[in-house]
Order: sequence, then structure tokens, then C-alpha cells
Amino acid sequence: DTGVSQNPRHKITKRGQNVTFRCDPISEHNRLYWYRQTLGQGPEFLTYFQNEAQLEKSRLLSDRFSAERPKGSFSTLEIQRTEQGDSAMYLCASSSEGQGWDTEAFFGQGTRLTVV
Amino acid sequence: SQQGEEDPQALSIQEGENATMNCSYKTSINNLQWYRQNSGRGLVHLILIRSNEREKHSGRLRVTLDTSKKSSSLLITASRAADTASYFCAAYSSYKLIFGSGTRLLVRP
Repeated sequence: DTGVSQNPRHKITKRGQNVTFRCDPISEHNRLYWYRQTLGQGPEFLTYFQNEAQLEKSRLLSDRFSAERPKGSFSTLEIQRTEQGDSAMYLCASSSEGQGWDTEAFFGQGTRLTVV
Repeated sequence: SQQGEEDPQALSIQEGENATMNCSYKTSINNLQWYRQNSGRGLVHLILIRSNEREKHSGRLRVTLDTSKKSSSLLITASRAADTASYFCAAYSSYKLIFGSGTRLLVRP
């Protein structure tokens, strides 16, 4: 297993277009997270899944954002009608459920989105 | 804001010196984690300290946690140029990590 994989690594899109990112977590990790990071800031939580169930969505996630994890394996994050403010690095992470104490997250390299 | 505060925002030291970064968080936690990020890359987990622990060591890293003050510190001893990166604390609470704003560390050779 090579870790968490995100595709594409870079995406440039015109304002108003839709974009979709993919995340392949570490196999057998049942938790999957999406974060957004802008320059000079820490990652901001967007949403997370336990298996295929989306258990929490941040208020940062507007109606233009949707995430899925259809079979509890890979996940997609779609942004509709992109705006320049959506330009950021989108990070995916996965972890195993553990006992709630020692839950280390493994991050992918991220997808850098630029909206022009 | 989701994020806690980290102090300092930027730190420049000479190779061989120690680097100390501080973090404050807002919620009750299960554990507190520290991550490292090289420019434009993903985050790498460094160390985790549970809410019932006060201090933990891993190699050149030492982490302390004060839950009464909702604060943590990361000490990197005998720093190396390769330690140059951004360092983030992350509070684990309600099944998710809430990150601080980060400290940018520059270690000069």
C-alpha cells in the first residue's frame, strides 16, 4: 500500500465550471476526511466519512460542495460553479477507527485548485 | 474560526539550536497531535499525546500537554536544516482533527 492517493495533483479551471477530485485512502481505513488549506493557514475541516456514511459536514461546505464515498473505499469531492474563493489545496486523509484515543491520520499530497 | 492559535507564527534558528512551538486549542480533546508539512506537500504525522498524558518523547521531539490551559508545546532538540517546514498542532475531538494556524520553522545551516 502506497498511502493516501489524490488525483489530480493540480487543477486549473475557469470560474463557473464544475470540478471533481478523487481520494483513494489507505485500504482498510474506515474513516476518510476532506480538508481545505489556503496559503499560510492550517487545514480546515470540511467533512468526514465513516465507511460510506457522511457523518459530519462543516458549515464551510456550501451547497456547491458535495462529497461521496459510495462503497466505503474511494471518495470524490465535487465543487459546482467554482468561484475564485475556492482556490486552495484540498487535502484528503484517512484513519482507522481505533478506540478513539490513538487515531493518527494519514494525509495525501493534496489537489491544488486554481480558479481563474 | 475552527482553528486554534500557534505561537510563534514564524521561527528562525541556527542549526543545532532547539526550537519550541506553542499551541492553544478551543475544545475538549481525546488527544493532541503534531504534524509537519513541507512546502506545498501533504502533512506528516509526528507525535500524538493523549488527554491523560502530560509529556511525551519521540527521538528529538518532546511534546507537553496542559489540558487545564488547553495548550501544548512541541520542542525539537538539536535542530537540523532538514527540519525546515511548517508545524501544525491538531486537536482530536468528536472524531475529527482541528488544526492550528501553524508555525513556519526555518533552520539556518
